[in-house]
Amino acid sequence: AQSVAQPEDQVNVAEGNPLTVKCTYSVSGNPYLFWYVQYPNRGLQFLLKYITGDNLVKGSYGFEAEFNKSQTSFHLKKPSALVSDSALYFCAVRDSYLGIGATNKLIFGTGTLLAVQP
Amino acid sequence: GAGVSQSPRYKVAKRGQDVALRCDPISGHVSLFWYQQALGQGPEFLTYFQNEAQLDKSGLPSDRFFAERPEGSVSTLKIQRTQQEDSAVYLCASSLARTASYEQYFGPGTRLTVT
Repeated sequence: AQSVAQPEDQVNVAEGNPLTVKCTYSVSGNPYLFWYVQYPNRGLQFLLKYITGDNLVKGSYGFEAEFNKSQTSFHLKKPSALVSDSALYFCAVRDSYLGIGATNKLIFGTGTLLAVQP
Repeated sequence: GAGVSQSPRYKVAKRGQDVALRCDPISGHVSLFWYQQALGQGPEFLTYFQNEAQLDKSGLPSDRFFAERPEGSVSTLKIQRTQQEDSAVYLCASSLARTASYEQYFGPGTRLTVT
């Protein structure tokens, strides 16, 4: 069964400091991994994805994420946090298998609230 | 260009009423998904369409939930005889193709409150 874990309900960081939001996953096949951000009363916005290739992927707004197959992790990072980065962040996984019985659905973690203090 | 739109943005229903939630996906997107997001939780999959075909409805919580996409574009999620546990934000997402590597683009959601 597919699953995603975001072990931290909240991450606090000072503006200008680096930030990390953690995510670990479990899939039966090769994972497709995604990060989304959600601002209050708005839908989820796509940040970045890992499909294959380079383990370090770069996305929107200066965010990046590192895929680590041995640790089954896909942590979201940013070198210098902004107050405007404060939001709810979701990690999601989809199995790359597209054969019989496959589904395209995303499995989401429970979310991590990022609070950046000025 | 226009993103995914959903209407209404907010819906209050009395217990037992039927509701219909609409989703307009990004033009040309083949795949359409519905998710339910309870307060303080991540979105949970409800159902998936590829064009007009509903290929996966494994996430629909009961037979009171019904979704359709008759012409392969606009989709409607209908909930019959609403219950308080149906209160949640209902998110619609679309994706360019069936291929799993394509990201899903989400609408703003419909917040349903059942009183």
